[in-house]
Amino acid sequence: DADVTQTPRNRITKTGKRIMLECSQTKGHDRMYWYRQDPGLGLRLIYYSFDVKDINKGEISDGYSVSRQAQAKFSLSLESAIPNQTALYFCATSDPGQYQETQYFGPGTRLLVL
Amino acid sequence: KQEVTQIPAALSVPEGENLVLNCSFTDSAIYNLQWFRQDPGKGLTSLLLIQSSQREQTSGRLNASLDKSSGRSTLYIAASQPGDSATYLCAVPKNSGNTPLVFGKGTRLSVIA
Repeated sequence: DADVTQTPRNRITKTGKRIMLECSQTKGHDRMYWYRQDPGLGLRLIYYSFDVKDINKGEISDGYSVSRQAQAKFSLSLESAIPNQTALYFCATSDPGQYQETQYFGPGTRLLVL
Repeated sequence: KQEVTQIPAALSVPEGENLVLNCSFTDSAIYNLQWFRQDPGKGLTSLLLIQSSQREQTSGRLNASLDKSSGRSTLYIAASQPGDSATYLCAVPKNSGNTPLVFGKGTRLSVIA
C-alpha cells in the first residue's frame, strides 16, 4: 500500500460547490503539506502543518481551508470552488527527525471546476 | 523572498547522452537543496538531497552538485535512457531551517531511443 494516499484521485465539480480533498499517511510523520500544481507555474504551497495543533498558511491560501484531524490525516477544503482552482493538488509529508528531511508526495488529485 | 529558476524548461536528447539540468536560487542561505522527479500525472519522488555543507551527492547515474555562494545547483545524468524521461524539479527550503519548500518550475526531459 502507498505511504501517502489522496482521495479522490479525480474530481469534477461546479462553481460555488464546497469540496474536500483528503490525505492520509502511514509513515508516522508529523509534518504535512498541501501544494497545487498548475502548468507553467510549478508547485505552490497552500497550507502546511508541523503537528496536529499547528496550521500555517502558505503562499496561496486564499479560498482554501485545512483540517488536521490526526497525525495521519490532513484535509483541504475549497469553501466555494471557482474555475481558477482547477489544478493538480498534492499532499506531502516529512519527518524532522530524519537526518535528511525529504518530502514524500501522494499521487495527486486532479480537480476540474466548471 | 526565495525564488528558484530552472533552465532549460524542456530538453530532448538521444539515448546515451550525458546531460546537465540547471537550478538557481536567489537566497544562498539555504539549509539544503533537493532534486525531485515527476512522471506525467504522478506525484514527486525525491532523487537527491544535498545538505548545505556538502558539495555533491551521487545516486547511480545521477550526480547533483551545489554551489551555495553562487546560488546554483546542477543535476548531471550520465548515459541517459528513455526511462529517464520525466520532469525534474529542484527545491529549497522557504526560510531558514528545513521546510516548507519552494520549487522551481521544472525541466521536462525527453530521452529519445
